Amino acid sequence: DIVMTQSPDSLAVSLGERATINCKSSQSVLYSSNNKNYFAWYQQRPGQPPKLLIYWASTRESGVPDRFSGSGSGTDFTLTISSLQAEDVAVYYCQQYYSSPITFGQGTRLEIK
Amino acid sequence: QVQLVESGGGVVQPGRSLTLSCAASGFTFSRYTMHWVRQAPGKGLEWVTFISYDGGTKHYADSVKGRFIISKDISENTIYLQMNSLRTEDTAVYYCARGGLETYSDRTDYWGQGSLVTVSS
Repeated sequence: DIVMTQSPDSLAVSLGERATINCKSSQSVLYSSNNKNYFAWYQQRPGQPPKLLIYWASTRESGVPDRFSGSGSGTDFTLTISSLQAEDVAVYYCQQYYSSPITFGQGTRLEIK
Repeated sequence: QVQLVESGGGVVQPGRSLTLSCAASGFTFSRYTMHWVRQAPGKGLEWVTFISYDGGTKHYADSVKGRFIISKDISENTIYLQMNSLRTEDTAVYYCARGGLETYSDRTDYWGQGSLVTVSS
């Protein structure tokens, strides 16, 4: 199984500042034949189901604000929120869908400082 | 618009069975892989199982293999999760989620609101 490890476990950032969350996979999720990373980021607000933010490591889902961006390839990935808003308070999860079983990171709790 | 509505959750004793349903609408159900993902209280997300768009491929997490069965009814636009030999550690909110279009190697882009299953004596 591919193990996904996020860092940090929790993060407090001031409104308007940048937030950065990292995720490392135990093996590459880059499929060489199409050069795609089978990797996604999700946001889960309290009491809500997860919401897809980013897929293929860097493609923003329709309707997601452009302050959210994803980067990385292979085994190391980053979610960046360029200017934190109050509604961004949530737990963020990374996911690999390269191989079964699909696996998630443990989650990163993002709060306002 | 895409909608996924889970039902069937509740309180059940250890060792008993329960079946969850997920009714889908707003998309061509027969062309998409469908997943169940669960979340124990205060914990992270755990993928449970998926069924491919054509129903021909089913994968399960080791934690539920041999106890849970996923199925789909295309005529009803519904997937099911039959949960047998339930354990206290199966207590969780169970989410239904849409996967890839004619593939099972893709993100989960729409999620239901979830159905709470509590396994307790």
